[in-house]
Amino acid sequence: DADVTQTPRNRITKTGKRIMLECSQTKGHDRMYWYRQDPGLGLRLIYYSFDVKDINKGEISDGYSVSRQAQAKFSLSLESAIPNQTALYFCATSPRQGASYEQYFGPGTRLTVT
Amino acid sequence: AQSVAQPEDQVNVAEGNPLTVKCTYSVSGNPYLFWYVQYPNRGLQFLLKYITGDNLVKGSYGFEAEFNKSQTSFHLKKPSALVSDSALYFCAVRDMYQAGTALIFGKGTTLSVSS
Repeated sequence: DADVTQTPRNRITKTGKRIMLECSQTKGHDRMYWYRQDPGLGLRLIYYSFDVKDINKGEISDGYSVSRQAQAKFSLSLESAIPNQTALYFCATSPRQGASYEQYFGPGTRLTVT
Repeated sequence: AQSVAQPEDQVNVAEGNPLTVKCTYSVSGNPYLFWYVQYPNRGLQFLLKYITGDNLVKGSYGFEAEFNKSQTSFHLKKPSALVSDSALYFCAVRDMYQAGTALIFGKGTTLSVSS
């Protein structure tokens, strides 16, 4: 887990505020992902990126945007936060090559929108 | 549509007893299947995967899972449960349409092991 870090770990913000969640990795992986976890719903994919110039929407991208500043950094932004974006957010990485396919997750950011 | 189902929200087992956490999947083609565990206030940790080969795969912490193609299942098992195994467990399948790298997760099963 220490190879994938997320900041902040906890955040409380108000409706309408812009907020950015940051993810950094030292695993050298090309692929990075943002998921949100809601109780009883599992994890759902928000955005994913294969490299700095390749960013793709996931299942639930509305209300979110991302930036891949470097191979090691992938940020998630909520332009105007709303209460139903209260969730646990995870960043994950995976290597491009090989048949491993598993993803490596950060510790998560717990976001509360009031 | 691709999906993963974990039919039990919670599984309760006594320490020392065998445990099973169930998972079924629906995908086109050959599935790539995974189990992850989440401890409180922690990220998800990879336990094991099935890509191809032997239907019984072994993973971390003494866990194993059996791939059953005819029943489209990938149940997680452990012969003897520990209290420290208490956590939230997720089954996942590789998304074959999102360029084949993202994961589709089940809703999770809370495992509670009593002493």
